[in-house]
Order: sequence, then C-alpha cells, then structure tokens
Amino acid sequence: TQLLEQSPQFLSIQEGENLTVYCNSSSVFSSLQWYRQEPGEGPVLLVTVVTGGEVKKLKRLTFQFGDARKDSSLHITAAQTGDTGLYLCAWNWANQGGKLIFGQGTELSVKP
Amino acid sequence: SQTIHQWPATLVQPVGSPLSLECTVEGTSNPNLYWYRQAAGRGLQLLFYSVGIGQISSEVPQNLSASRPQDRQFILSSKKLLLSDSGFYLCAWAELAPNEQFFGPGTRLTVL
Repeated sequence: TQLLEQSPQFLSIQEGENLTVYCNSSSVFSSLQWYRQEPGEGPVLLVTVVTGGEVKKLKRLTFQFGDARKDSSLHITAAQTGDTGLYLCAWNWANQGGKLIFGQGTELSVKP
Repeated sequence: SQTIHQWPATLVQPVGSPLSLECTVEGTSNPNLYWYRQAAGRGLQLLFYSVGIGQISSEVPQNLSASRPQDRQFILSSKKLLLSDSGFYLCAWAELAPNEQFFGPGTRLTVL
C-alpha cells in the first residue's frame, strides 16, 4: 500500500499545453516536497510546502498544498520540452531523521 | 560548497556475489545520510538512513546492510546479491530535517 498516491503515472502532452499532477494521502503531511528527476540522475528539489492552503510559484510551476495537508498538486503552464522528466512528491518525516517517503512519480513527456 | 560522490557509477554483478557501494559528502559536517533504491524510473524506496556515525536505521528488511564508519561516509553492502537487488541506488544528504535532500549521481546495479 502506497502512503502517497500520485496521478497520473504517465502524461504525454504537446509543448504549450497546461497540465496538473496530483499527490494524495490518507495521512496528514507535516511537510511535503516536490522533486524533479531526469534520467540517470538524482532528484532535485523544486519546492517544500508546510502550511495548509499554501500556494507557491516557481516561474511556470504552481504548487498547492491542500487545506487539510493531505494532498498537493503541481500545475505547469505552457509546458516546454525542458519540463520533461519524472516528478516526485515526497513526505518529509522530520522526527525520523528527515527521511523521505516518495510517491511513485508522474512521468511527463513534452513533445515539440 | 557541498558535493556528494557515489561510486561506482555502474556495476554488473553475478547472483550470490558481495556488494559494496560507497557514498561520500564534502563541505559539510554531521549530515543526515540516506540510501534509496529506484526501480525502472519509478518512485524511490528508502533503504537506510543515518543521523550520525555508527547510527543506522533500516527501513525495509532485506538482503542489504549499511554502515557509517566516518562522519561523511555511508556504505551500502550485501554478502550475497539477489536478482531482485538490481536497480538504481541513490545516496542523499541533508543538513537538518526537514530541509532539502541533495542526491548523488547514483549507481546503476545489474545482478545477472
């Protein structure tokens, strides 16, 4: 049983389209992080959300944290081919050495 | 600046052979250290984490073990590899929980 459910698992879109990926859990997150990973490399942090209802923007990326802190979403506006990669949400357990529990990821392919 | 190294980058080993993967961090002191495994571009599974020298927490019962002989060195080992041990192994460090984790370049392990 996955603690974090990400959807969709795969997404293939054309350049210029918008998209949203989701991360859900039945548990309350103390802190949630979004990472992006390119093939053959380690993940790189995009954002950390902590407060319920929080919205953070990173250029064309908008991250939302649900009011109840059980879900989060990542919205990309006008996707570019450089956005291609694996997007992972992760639950940060601060009281257990900061370990990360990852979702299964959303594999995004943006075609020119 | 901080850097994280992993070696080897790729490894092909026969079933039943031993394993030793090394991870070292430079430019920081007393980091939290983590080992993850990733199968086929999906989410990362936490294997071990360490908050100090000689302190190892195991997340998943399995054929692997970890050690932290020095402050900035983290080693993943196995006495006898199984086919199911194949995967992409990532080491990560963080200064404090729940801060950002920084990932190494990974080791691609194939067990034949």
